[in-house]
Amino acid sequence: AQKVTQAQTEISVVEKEDVTLDCVYETRDTTYYLFWYKQPPSGELVFLIRRNSFDEQNEISGRYSWNFQKSTSSFNFTITASQVVDSAVYFCALSGYNSGGSNYKLTFGKGTLLTVNP
Amino acid sequence: GAVVSQHPSRVICKSGTSVKIECRSLDFQATTMFWYRQFPKQSLMLMATSNEGSKATYEQGVEKDKFLINHASLTLSTLTVTSAHPEDSSFYICSASGLGMNTEAFFGQGTRLTVV
Repeated sequence: AQKVTQAQTEISVVEKEDVTLDCVYETRDTTYYLFWYKQPPSGELVFLIRRNSFDEQNEISGRYSWNFQKSTSSFNFTITASQVVDSAVYFCALSGYNSGGSNYKLTFGKGTLLTVNP
Repeated sequence: GAVVSQHPSRVICKSGTSVKIECRSLDFQATTMFWYRQFPKQSLMLMATSNEGSKATYEQGVEKDKFLINHASLTLSTLTVTSAHPEDSSFYICSASGLGMNTEAFFGQGTRLTVV
């Protein structure tokens, strides 16, 4: 069974602070994918990143960076110099091979509500 | 990225009626569509997976007779909440994936259902 744990339920920071959102996962699959999504108050899911299990390179995209540590089964997300517009719920998700077929389905963590105050 | 359109974005219905939610892939053929449900301040829970032309595969605990899923074409899947009750009020969101997309799945905008 797959599991994603986002231990931080809510985080509140002041604008321009750096913030790291933690994500720990469990899976028996050898091939799997990890994702981060942003969900603003409007509800839609905004795709941020996908990382496959064979690629442990860290990634940076503007103010966003991701640290994938296979040894600790973690895929943490850091926002540098946070802004008010970063306020949202952030979900970490995991997909692996769906038993019996070629479909992949996502298992989501419970999400972390990030509030960036001016 | 590919575009998935979900309609309606909000719907209010009376208890006992049925509501249909549409999920369309606008610029690709969606061989697989997923339907999720999200309660307020909760995570997304997968309800079912549907492949075009096949019956949907429901997750444990999801009533297939209550949540009817049809994926009759490569660009459209529908979720019908039958005989809706207030406890069915939730945010429903679909995602779609196509050939060659590997594990990419693109999400619709979601539908907020309120049953009164």
